[in-house]
Amino acid sequence: ILNVEQSPQSLHVQEGDSTNFTCSFPSSNFYALHWYRWETAKSPEALFVMTLNGDEKKKGRISATLNTKEGYSYLYIKGSQPEDSATYLCAFDRDDKIIFGKGTRLHILP
Amino acid sequence: SAVISQKPSRDICQRGTSLTIQCQVDSQVTMMFWYRQQPGQSLTLIATANQGSEATYESGFVIDKFPISRPNLTFSTLTVSNMSPEDSSIYLCSAPGASGGTDTQYFGPGTRLTVL
Repeated sequence: ILNVEQSPQSLHVQEGDSTNFTCSFPSSNFYALHWYRWETAKSPEALFVMTLNGDEKKKGRISATLNTKEGYSYLYIKGSQPEDSATYLCAFDRDDKIIFGKGTRLHILP
Repeated sequence: SAVISQKPSRDICQRGTSLTIQCQVDSQVTMMFWYRQQPGQSLTLIATANQGSEATYESGFVIDKFPISRPNLTFSTLTVSNMSPEDSSIYLCSAPGASGGTDTQYFGPGTRLTVL
C-alpha cells in the first residue's frame, strides 16, 4: 500500500508569521515529488516538481525541500499573507503512478 | 502550460440519476486524467482517458459506473452513473505538461457534485 501522508491536516497562522508543513512518502521507487496549491473553486496550481535528494526550490515566499532517502518533503511559507490561504497538496510520483496526500488546509488569520 | 475548463462547476443531483462532466483543454494532449476527491480524502485517480481507445480504469473504478468518452485530443467527458450519496465529491480532470515525465499536471477547476 502506497501512503502519502501530509501533516498537519489543518493549520491557522497569523498574517506575517512563517509556517511549514510536511509530506511523507515511500522512500522506494521514487521518481518525483509534486507540490500544488489549491484554492477553493479554482484549479490546483503547480508549485514545485522535485526530483533529486537534497533539492531545494523557491518561488517567492514559498520554498520546499526534499529528502528522498527518508521519504519526506517540507513546504515553507515565509511571512504569510491572506492570499496564501489554500489547501497544499503533495503528490508522490513513481513514474507509473501518482499518489496524492489529503492536503494541508492553511488558513491565514488577519 | 495548458488551460483546462470543466462544466458544470457544481451540481446537486438526485440518487439514481446520472451526470456527465465535460472537460476542455486549450491544446492537444495525448492523455487526460479524471480524479475525484471525496470529503476528507485524497485526490484519487479514476481513469486515464486515451484518444482512440478505451479508457484505462484504476482499481476500484469500473466503466459501467464511470463511462468516459474521448472523441478528440482536446476534450473528454466523465459520466457518473446511477448516483448515490457516496458519489458526492469534487471531480477534476487533468492533463500532463508538454514534456510528460516529471512535468507537472494541469488541472481543471473541478466539478463539485452533491448527491441527495
